[in-house]
Amino acid sequence: DLQLTQSPSFLSASVGDRVTITCRASQDIRNFLAWYQQKPGKAPKLLIYAASMLQSGVPSRFSGSGSGTEFTLTITDLQPEDFADYYCQQLNTYPQVTFGGGTKVEF
Amino acid sequence: EVYLLESGGGLVQPGGSLRLSCTTSGFIFNKFGMAWVRQAPGKGLEWVSGIRGGGDNAHYADSVKGRFTISRDKTKDILHLQMDSLRVEDTAVYYCAKDHNLLFYYYGMDVWGQGTTVTVSS
Repeated sequence: DLQLTQSPSFLSASVGDRVTITCRASQDIRNFLAWYQQKPGKAPKLLIYAASMLQSGVPSRFSGSGSGTEFTLTITDLQPEDFADYYCQQLNTYPQVTFGGGTKVEF
Repeated sequence: EVYLLESGGGLVQPGGSLRLSCTTSGFIFNKFGMAWVRQAPGKGLEWVSGIRGGGDNAHYADSVKGRFTISRDKTKDILHLQMDSLRVEDTAVYYCAKDHNLLFYYYGMDVWGQGTTVTVSS
C-alpha cells in the first residue's frame, strides 16, 4: 500500500517565520499531490494542488514544490490565521486517495 | 455558489445502520467525482469512499469495504453513504467533498461540506 509520511507532526513557530512541512510518499506519485489546511471544528481547505499550483483565493505566502516521492509545503511570513493543521493527500491511486498524518503548526 | 451540505449523522448502537446524505448545488453534480472523508475525534483525515465523475464506479477504503455503500441520486444531485454494521471505530465527523476538476482528477478536492457527526456507541 502507498504510504504518505508527513513531518514534523508538530511545529512550533512565531508570526513572521518561514515554515516548511515535508510529505514523503512510499512510491512515485508524480505530481499528484495536494495540500490542505484545517482549523478546529472546520472542514479542510484546499491550498495547493498538482504539487505546486496555488488554489484560487489562497495567499501567495503558501507554496508547494516537489515531485516523485518528496514534497514540501512552505509558508513564508507566517500569519496568526495560519496556525492550523496541514495535511498532504496523494491522488496517484485515485479515486482511492490517501492523506498524510498531518502537521500541527502551533505558536 | 457551489456548496455541499451533509446530513444524517447521529448516535447509533454497534451493528446498526445510518444513511448520510450530501446535498449539492452550484455545479454539474453528475460530471464531478465525489468522496466521503472522515475524521475520528482528535485524529487525522481518512478517505472512506469515492465515486468517479460521469459514472457509478465506486471505491472504498479497506476499513469500510463490504459495510458502506456510496451512491448518487442524479435526479436530486445528492450523494449518499449507506453505512451498515457500524463499529465503534466508525465514530467520526464525515465530510463529503467534490473533485476540483472534472478532467484532471489529481487536482484534489476543492469544496467540502461542514461535516456530520456519527457516534457509534452502546
